[in-house]
Amino acid sequence: KAGVTQTPRYLIKTRGQQVTLSCSPISGHRSVSWYQQTPGQGLQFLFEYFSETQRNKGNFPGRFSGRQFSNSRSEMNVSTLELGDSALYLCASSLNPGQGYEQYFGPGTRLTVT
Amino acid sequence: GESVGLHLPTLSVQEGDNSIINCAYSNSASDYFIWYKQESGKGPQFIIDIRSNMDKRQGQRVTVLLNKTVKHLSLQIAATQPGDSAVYFCAETSFSGGYNKLIFGAGTRLAVHP
Repeated sequence: KAGVTQTPRYLIKTRGQQVTLSCSPISGHRSVSWYQQTPGQGLQFLFEYFSETQRNKGNFPGRFSGRQFSNSRSEMNVSTLELGDSALYLCASSLNPGQGYEQYFGPGTRLTVT
Repeated sequence: GESVGLHLPTLSVQEGDNSIINCAYSNSASDYFIWYKQESGKGPQFIIDIRSNMDKRQGQRVTVLLNKTVKHLSLQIAATQPGDSAVYFCAETSFSGGYNKLIFGAGTRLAVHP
């Protein structure tokens, strides 16, 4: 069974631009969560989607948004990029939301903002 | 590979020794805890989890201990191997957090020497 896939793996953008990252969950998984990982702040929860609905949101500005499609694939968008948005963006999928449903992480998308 | 963290605490052990990685969690309402392993260039990988109604859980070569009184979690790895070298994160979550909203600790780098 294929794991979580994220595209692209690496991305370089300029301040002020916007970016869209994509995540394909493991087949059959309906819950997708996004995390930002930086050396300074560590791993921080961005948002979670289940059945095309945002179920939970972390403490990030409105420039960060996401969505989920009917096939459970998810995208996240960051508008008006800032230098501080440079990070590894990780996507995780699980069968369903809830305790005991193991989350499987993808390899991440490394975003560099210059 | 990607840099997971520039200033993480490091635990250095000899191959074959037992390793103990500690974690203090923040939210007394957290009732589900997970340990993840992250290797360079990869996303976090699930190791073991524990619910708040337990104080110990064992897996293959790993044991997690939970002390709710002092909000402390530990991961014990028996007979540490070079392949165990990675960054280890504890994560906490709760029913109010929807369980898929993981709050990660800062991480500990485990270095295994032959």
